[in-house]
Amino acid sequence: GAGVSQSPSNKVTEKGKDVELRCDPISGHTALYWYRQRLGQGLEFLIYFQGNSAPDKSGLPSDRFSAERTGESVSTLTIQRTQQEDSAVYLCASSTNRAYEQYFGPGTRLTVT
Amino acid sequence: GDSVTQMEGPVTLSEEAFLTINCTYTATGYPSLFWYVQYPGEGLQLLLKATKADDKGSNKGFEATYRKETTSFHLEKGSVQVSDSAVYFCALSDSNKAAGNKLTFGGGTRVLVKP
Repeated sequence: GAGVSQSPSNKVTEKGKDVELRCDPISGHTALYWYRQRLGQGLEFLIYFQGNSAPDKSGLPSDRFSAERTGESVSTLTIQRTQQEDSAVYLCASSTNRAYEQYFGPGTRLTVT
Repeated sequence: GDSVTQMEGPVTLSEEAFLTINCTYTATGYPSLFWYVQYPGEGLQLLLKATKADDKGSNKGFEATYRKETTSFHLEKGSVQVSDSAVYFCALSDSNKAAGNKLTFGGGTRVLVKP
């Protein structure tokens, strides 16, 4: 079946602009995660959605970052007033409620100029 | 908070050599441990996992044993191939179910296998 998809695959934006990144999880996966991977570094957790529960936003680096998820489907990560340090690959992952394995999407490479 | 430390790369090996990538962790509670792999041009994928102490995860000739006494989860493969060239990430998930299974990653180790 289809895996996790993300769009766009690449985004170049000017400093100060807002950007919106999209994630389509695997159908039936109730858990959805966003991570950020800066160049040469490991992944940092950003936010976690589980069904209709309140999201775990503990990893969001600033109030410029926000995310939404409609039910158990699409999620969007929004970065307002982008800064150069926001340049990274943003990865989305989904999993079933009780499983440990997270399935990752291909990521969106964001470059802030 | 939780953290994962893994050896820095790049690690360059010849085909059929033995590979070890060290990984140690700090965590409260009893985390599950994972190795993820990112092949060139591809997304991150799970390589193997272990959910409790002394468990051994294995896949594609790779193995790692959950060592609680040394808080380690070292990845090993006895005979690497060129196709094993990739970036390998060690990770743990919080045992606190309220936090879901969010993963804490190490910095990644790039492995290059030469023919």
